[in-house]
Amino acid sequence: KNQVEQSPQSLIILEGKNCTLQCNYTVSPFSNLRWYKQDTGRGPVSLTIMTFSENTKSNGRYTATLDADTKQSSLHITASQLSDSASYICVVGFFTGGGNKLTFGTGTQLKVEL
Amino acid sequence: GAVVSQHPSWVICKSGTSVKIECRSLDFQATTMFWYRQFPKQSLMLMATSNEGSKATYEQGVEKDKFLINHASLTLSTLTVTSAHPEDSSFYICSARDPLDPASTDTQYFGPGTRLTVL
Repeated sequence: KNQVEQSPQSLIILEGKNCTLQCNYTVSPFSNLRWYKQDTGRGPVSLTIMTFSENTKSNGRYTATLDADTKQSSLHITASQLSDSASYICVVGFFTGGGNKLTFGTGTQLKVEL
Repeated sequence: GAVVSQHPSWVICKSGTSVKIECRSLDFQATTMFWYRQFPKQSLMLMATSNEGSKATYEQGVEKDKFLINHASLTLSTLTVTSAHPEDSSFYICSARDPLDPASTDTQYFGPGTRLTVL
């Protein structure tokens, strides 16, 4: 069964600090992995997307890594800001006979405090 | 970048009534749109894939007669929750795929979501 697990479930950090979120997946056949940011009551917004051959991808203060061998990914946030408070969702795409589909993690709820 | 809108952003209705939610791709034509449902503190769950000009493909366990999907144009898909009940209260999110994006990225652009509350 395709699954995406994220850790920690929730995290509180001080403004300006760095943090790393983890994602483990058992999705096959793998297509791509993406990280989304979802503000409360809003739709997800794409941060990064990586295909099988990519190990790292950056988007401003967000850096995602992918280890396709161990099926792990991480999202590193540097110099956190209050506006980074949101849910971060790891989403893994996989191939099916009917096209590509996505498996969503339950997200890591990040809160950045003063 | 590609923008997807939803309307309404929130709706409250009485049990037994029907509610229609619209999903629009604003600056691209989407042959395929997706409808998701998200309960509090849970991940998005795909309900159905909406294909322009053809019938939607529903995920296992999703009642097609209860969740009617119409994708009549390349920029609009609608989800109608028929005879809504309190257990249908949820956050409904649509997404659209831009056919001009590279196939390898297969990016879905998400709408802002619609909060449905059934009393």
